[in-house]
Amino acid sequence: DAGVIQSPRHEVTEMGQEVTLRCKPISGHDYLFWYRQTMMRGLELLIYFNNNVPIDDSGMPEDRFSAKMPNASFSTLKIQPSEPRDSAVYFCASRGQGVGEQYFGPGTRLTVT
Amino acid sequence: TQLLEQSPQFLSIQEGENLTVYCNSSSVFSSLQWYRQEPGEGPVLLVTVVTGGEVKKLKRLTFQFGDARKDSSLHITAAQPGDTGLYLCAGPTPNTGNQFYFGTGTSLTVIP
Repeated sequence: DAGVIQSPRHEVTEMGQEVTLRCKPISGHDYLFWYRQTMMRGLELLIYFNNNVPIDDSGMPEDRFSAKMPNASFSTLKIQPSEPRDSAVYFCASRGQGVGEQYFGPGTRLTVT
Repeated sequence: TQLLEQSPQFLSIQEGENLTVYCNSSSVFSSLQWYRQEPGEGPVLLVTVVTGGEVKKLKRLTFQFGDARKDSSLHITAAQPGDTGLYLCAGPTPNTGNQFYFGTGTSLTVIP
């Protein structure tokens, strides 16, 4: 298995533009998590899905952020409009049933100028 | 407010030295996980501890879960440059346990 795949690996955009981050979880995993990592706040959970259904989005900072999981093999995190304070590394992770290991993707480094 | 506090925040040591990093909370956790994150990559699970007082060893790494299940420590013996990275502890949320709180992290640099 190729592991969790994220794209793009790097994204540089101007303030006000729409940004879409993509994730392909490990096949067979039921849970998908989106995290944001910054020096100031560390690793924060934004939202997670179970069987493609959003379960908890309380970590989503504001309405500019949205996430979808149209099927078991694909998820997107969208920021519209983007702001400089959104600059961070965004990770996607997936996990099978039970309280076990989360497998993280390589992350997308987002820079908003 | 961080549920899991890690110390120290930064640590720079010479190859061959020993070190201990800590993960502390005022809350009780059913289990704790330790991850290592290398630059440009996502965190990778090292170990899960589930029983109060439990000690697990992974080569030169020794993990301990506190008796009260509120804290954990990671001890590295004879550190090597390959141990360099960000060490994160994580604990499951108390309700469903489906999601994890992550600690503030300890950034370790081992100098050759």
